[in-house]
Amino acid sequence: QKEVEQNSGPLSVPEGAIASLNCTYSDRGSQSFFWYRQYSGKSPELIMSIYSNGDKEDGRFTAQLNKASQYVSLLIRDSQPSDSATYLCAPRYGNNRLAFGKGNQVVVIP
Amino acid sequence: DTEVTQTPKHLVMGMTNKKSLKCEQHMGHRAMYWYKQKAKKPPELMFVYSYEKLSINESVPSRFSPECPNSSLLNLHLHALQPEDSALYLCASSQNNEKLFFGSGTQLSVL
Repeated sequence: QKEVEQNSGPLSVPEGAIASLNCTYSDRGSQSFFWYRQYSGKSPELIMSIYSNGDKEDGRFTAQLNKASQYVSLLIRDSQPSDSATYLCAPRYGNNRLAFGKGNQVVVIP
Repeated sequence: DTEVTQTPKHLVMGMTNKKSLKCEQHMGHRAMYWYKQKAKKPPELMFVYSYEKLSINESVPSRFSPECPNSSLLNLHLHALQPEDSALYLCASSQNNEKLFFGSGTQLSVL
């Protein structure tokens, strides 16, 4: 069983602040990592993918990957109420499966 | 067209009914997936089709029967379901087993 750990407690951030989401994974062989955003009652939407160590920026989102520490994170800058959702970390592992974490719920307070 | 289309969006069925969920994509993706998601839980993989052949079955009960008629279509046939099968059923597709693109899902209630 591939383990993906995300702090599942709600993260409340004021509008305009930075939301920081963390994820650790157990499979050292994982090479591809994805962040999905899921609004309540909706399907997951891919927002970031990262394959190499370091940072990758896309608009207000930055993904960070450290394969040695088996750690991937997502930063949301200038948080907006529309960012209120659950964010799912999903490393890909050896047999082409995604292992989804339980998700980080983000609540942006206006 | 970058969409994965699922029908119906909502389905209520009895335990003796037979129904089917449908999924369609026109992105040329050669892998298609069925996931099940319960409330406040992550998606759970059920089946994977690669090049129209079933490549992964995650030990799903036989009351769920997948079908891939062609590279754009994926069906999930349902028969004799249990109330605990009530969930959001998600179809997804990908190219080269990389990024998954999800459909909007079918919210299934089994009475």
